[in-house]
Amino acid sequence: GENVEQHPSTLSVQEGDSAVIKCTYSDSASNYFPWYKQELGKRPQLIIDIRSNVGEKKDQRIAVTLNKTAKHFSLHITETQPEDSAVYFCAASIGAGGTSYGKLTFGQGTILTVHP
Amino acid sequence: GAVVSQHPSRVICKSGTSVKIECRSLDFQATTMFWYRQFPKQSLMLMATSNEGSKATYEQGVEKDKFLINHASLTLSTLTVTSAHPEDSSFYICSARSPYTDTQYFGPGTRLTVL
Repeated sequence: GENVEQHPSTLSVQEGDSAVIKCTYSDSASNYFPWYKQELGKRPQLIIDIRSNVGEKKDQRIAVTLNKTAKHFSLHITETQPEDSAVYFCAASIGAGGTSYGKLTFGQGTILTVHP
Repeated sequence: GAVVSQHPSRVICKSGTSVKIECRSLDFQATTMFWYRQFPKQSLMLMATSNEGSKATYEQGVEKDKFLINHASLTLSTLTVTSAHPEDSSFYICSARSPYTDTQYFGPGTRLTVL
């Protein structure tokens, strides 16, 4: 099955700096890659996602890049703010068809701390 | 984003009892819902895929007779933890997959404590 590795496990930055979190996946059939933000005791919230037919996607301060050949994707947060502090999870999903359709495999998570 | 509700948010039960957790998709009809388990400071572990009108698909290592899943309608899936033991204590989260975008929207989670 799919395996997703996420690094780093913890990331500490100063307010205003950029933060980058990287993930690799193992199954070349995966074609959907969402990123979730989870605050303590809360539900994971989708912050951005990318599909395999796109190399990069941006939404204000957040961007995601995908390298299908190398099977890795990254989350970039610019101009970080204290409220960006949370746990971030990457995930990979295999495309339509079959019993595994839509099933997400998550990375281990990254604890991001933004210091004021 | 779409709203997925989960009930109860917290439950404490005695060892040996059964606990039912409900997951509702409020904004769209979800043919597929997912159940996850999350231990403190760890990632989400998929337990099973809940398909409306058919049997759930369980992940390897998850006991289907212990974690009963029913997806009786396009907006409701339930997870029943049977004969609960302290090691079943965890944070259980459901998600619903949008049929329009494939995006998964998560419920707020249920904190289960088995005494």
